Amino acid sequence: QSVLTQPPSVSGAPGQRVTISCTGSSSNIGAGYDVHWYQQLPGSPPKLLIYGNNKRPSGVPDRFSGSKSGTSASLAITGLQADDESRFYCQSYDTRLAGVVFGGGTELTVL
Amino acid sequence: QVQLVQSGPEVKKTGSSVKVSCKASGGSFRTYGVTWVRQAPGQGLEWMGGITPMFGTINYAQKFQGRVSITTDGSMSTVYLELSSLRLEDTAVYHCARVPYFDLLTGYFDYWGQGTLVTVSS
Repeated sequence: QSVLTQPPSVSGAPGQRVTISCTGSSSNIGAGYDVHWYQQLPGSPPKLLIYGNNKRPSGVPDRFSGSKSGTSASLAITGLQADDESRFYCQSYDTRLAGVVFGGGTELTVL
Repeated sequence: QVQLVQSGPEVKKTGSSVKVSCKASGGSFRTYGVTWVRQAPGQGLEWMGGITPMFGTINYAQKFQGRVSITTDGSMSTVYLELSSLRLEDTAVYHCARVPYFDLLTGYFDYWGQGTLVTVSS
């Protein structure tokens, strides 16, 4: 059971918008710690997608955006494309565990 | 071009130890932190710990305390992860990743190694 909860899967048609939630608690996201997001294609290492809740590294399209509110964070993907199909993970810090925590991951399917 | 190059796959017996390396190709980790994250087959990401070679700060996940050791070489270009008392459930791909601003615990991981598969068998 992950400290950060993500839906196991989401799906959408090409061109549509999807959101992936990352729900934490008062000991992590709710305590004000940043949330970061990663995209992982099968057989590849994770790739940084969003850092500091809503910042995009150079080269990441603006179709990807992040937000945070209270004890949760969200990743939004607009203009879905077939090659967006992958797994997404959120990451933060937890004071009770005194360490880095990840969400369980969300599989995105483009219909 | 930042590249983190990891050592090759390992096959180990239960109860033994494994040491995985992560080299900064063409540079060093002098001005960064390095973290280790593992991923069991078909599973999610699990943080193991990290190090700032410049300052010698080391953090370990509570789950691995006493079984894990993260070290660096004198040139700060290679970081090592050693995991002892291996169990079947330690079978996973072990990734190193670079951490900007020495922020091992709350920061993000901007470049990742290709991963090292460690297989543990009885």
